[in-house]
Amino acid sequence: QQQVKQSPQSLIVQKGGISIINCAYENTAFDYFPWYQQFPGKGPALLIAIRPDVSEKKEGRFTISFNKSAKQFSLHIMDSQPGDSATYFCAARTARQLTFGSGTQLTVLP
Amino acid sequence: EAGVAQSPRYKIIEKRQSVAFWCNPISGHATLYWYQQILGQGPKLLIQFQNNGVVDDSQLPKDRFSAERLKGVDSTLKIQPAKLEDSAVYLCASSLGGDDYGYTFGSGTRLTVV
Repeated sequence: QQQVKQSPQSLIVQKGGISIINCAYENTAFDYFPWYQQFPGKGPALLIAIRPDVSEKKEGRFTISFNKSAKQFSLHIMDSQPGDSATYFCAARTARQLTFGSGTQLTVLP
Repeated sequence: EAGVAQSPRYKIIEKRQSVAFWCNPISGHATLYWYQQILGQGPKLLIQFQNNGVVDDSQLPKDRFSAERLKGVDSTLKIQPAKLEDSAVYLCASSLGGDDYGYTFGSGTRLTVV
């Protein structure tokens, strides 16, 4: 019940395209849903996050869509750029623990 | 502000040897986490400290892994003896704790057990 399922495992998009990564969860105790971006050799860095009382949050080119009833949330990267090429992790937090998805390796072709 | 510092960056050891990793969190961050990230997977929590006390170590393989956080600041994670399946990146993260949901991760230590 602590799992967060993430898809797809890998994603290739053209520059300027939209990248979409999806996550699903079961535990209704999760109360915070962040997305992390990780470049090779670096630790994950917080990209954007949402709480379940909000259906959408946008920061620049990055948008989280949240569907509480379906227990799903997704990251949309608009106008994807080669510099966005990285591994993206969704995560979900209870009061004591942050649980990560398995990651999506995004490649944006120039 | 300075980030989370970890050392060493890389370590190669033979199975059954011991190894230790060090983490210095962001100044003032009360909560410190150690995560294990196996290649191709998301980070998995090993242990969480609040100041110098353990909050959650339910996923720490206690027969071979140990961790301490002396004086509520720096932390050390030790593996003894190491197994091949311990090859991973060990990430340290810190946060203010309480209602602060922002984690800052270090760059990690990449451990290879041969």
